[in-house]
Amino acid sequence: DAGVTQSPTHLIKTRGQQVTLRCSPISGHKSVSWYQQVLGQGPQFIFQYYEKEERGRGNFPDRFSARQFPNYSSELNVNALLLGDSALYLCASSKQGNSGNTIYFGEGSWLTVV
Amino acid sequence: DAKTTQPPSMDCAEGRAANLPCNHSTISGNEYVYWYRQIHSQGPQYIIHGLKNNETNEMASLIITEDRKSSTLILPHATLRDTAVYYCIVRANSNYQLIWGAGTKLIIKP
Repeated sequence: DAGVTQSPTHLIKTRGQQVTLRCSPISGHKSVSWYQQVLGQGPQFIFQYYEKEERGRGNFPDRFSARQFPNYSSELNVNALLLGDSALYLCASSKQGNSGNTIYFGEGSWLTVV
Repeated sequence: DAKTTQPPSMDCAEGRAANLPCNHSTISGNEYVYWYRQIHSQGPQYIIHGLKNNETNEMASLIITEDRKSSTLILPHATLRDTAVYYCIVRANSNYQLIWGAGTKLIIKP
């Protein structure tokens, strides 16, 4: 079975632009989470979705938004990009959202804002 | 903030066992301990997790102390490909997020 897939793998955007990152979870997984990882730091939680509903949100501004589709894939949108948004954006999936359910990560989308 | 404390870096000789410690003194009774690793510029890779009992899989063993305040990840026969940052994470009781610390940078030396 395919793992968590993300697209695009790399992209460059200009300050003020908007970006959409996409994620397909492992087949059968209904929970998708998004993390931001700045170089040299551990990932920071942005959102979790389960069964198309937002279950959790990290400490990120409203410029960050996400949604989950009926097929459980997900998009992360970031508006009005800042230089500080440059990071590796990770998508993760699990069967459910409960503790004890293993979370698997994709390879990430590298975003560079110039 | 992360609920775990790990040494920032460790070295291990190729072919030897790598033992990575983690302190989680404030862990709650129903919180799991997870281990992930991240090879440079790649997504985190799940290694193993446990609640109370020791666990073993094809990648590693997880030893959790009886009081659950610390644990050790053991890579039995380290190879150069095991060079990575290893993260010990306590899974939040609210179930949905992983809170990451700085991890341990493990360097396997030939």
